[in-house]
Amino acid sequence: KAGVTQTPRYLIKTRGQQVTLSCSPISGHRSVSWYQQTPGQGLQFLFEYFSETQRNKGNFPGRFSGRQFSNSRSEMNVSTLELGDSALYLCASSTHQETQYFGPGTRLLVL
Amino acid sequence: GIQVEQSPPDLILQEGANSTLRCNFSDSVNNLQWFHQNPWGQLINLFYIPSGTKQNGRLSATTVATERYSLLYISSSQTTDSGVYFCAVPDTGGFKTIFGAGTRLFVKA
Repeated sequence: KAGVTQTPRYLIKTRGQQVTLSCSPISGHRSVSWYQQTPGQGLQFLFEYFSETQRNKGNFPGRFSGRQFSNSRSEMNVSTLELGDSALYLCASSTHQETQYFGPGTRLLVL
Repeated sequence: GIQVEQSPPDLILQEGANSTLRCNFSDSVNNLQWFHQNPWGQLINLFYIPSGTKQNGRLSATTVATERYSLLYISSSQTTDSGVYFCAVPDTGGFKTIFGAGTRLFVKA
């Protein structure tokens, strides 16, 4: 089976812009979770989707949003980018929130 | 929500040495995972271990759920073991995974 894929792998944006990141889970996995990793805050949970429904959300401002499609692929969007949004964004897929398998991540730099 | 603490925060080993990494959590859990993050940022599953002991080559893990801790053992360390080791557990509300701050390991040749 192919692993979790994330696109794009690298991204440079400027403050105020918006960005959309994509995650394709392992075939058959219906749960997709998103995380933000920064040197100062570590790995922080953003949100989790299962069968197109958001089941939980972390403590992030409303500028961070996501969605999941019927084929389980997921996207996350960050609007009005700030310098502090520079981070590695990771997604993970699983069958029922047990063993999670991570993608390679998207490195976002906001200038 | 649940709190996860990992120790030590940093560890430097000589190649061939053994080490033990610890993960404490503040509430009962039915799920615990150990991950290794390599220098390129990829998180790799090591163990799914809600309780008991598992071994995979030079690595083994033990979770004592009743005492709310898990241990990761690395034997005969190699330079390729370098990176950050995370433990992760589900939050009490469900559908949300909480990661510890990690143990940064550097293995010297």
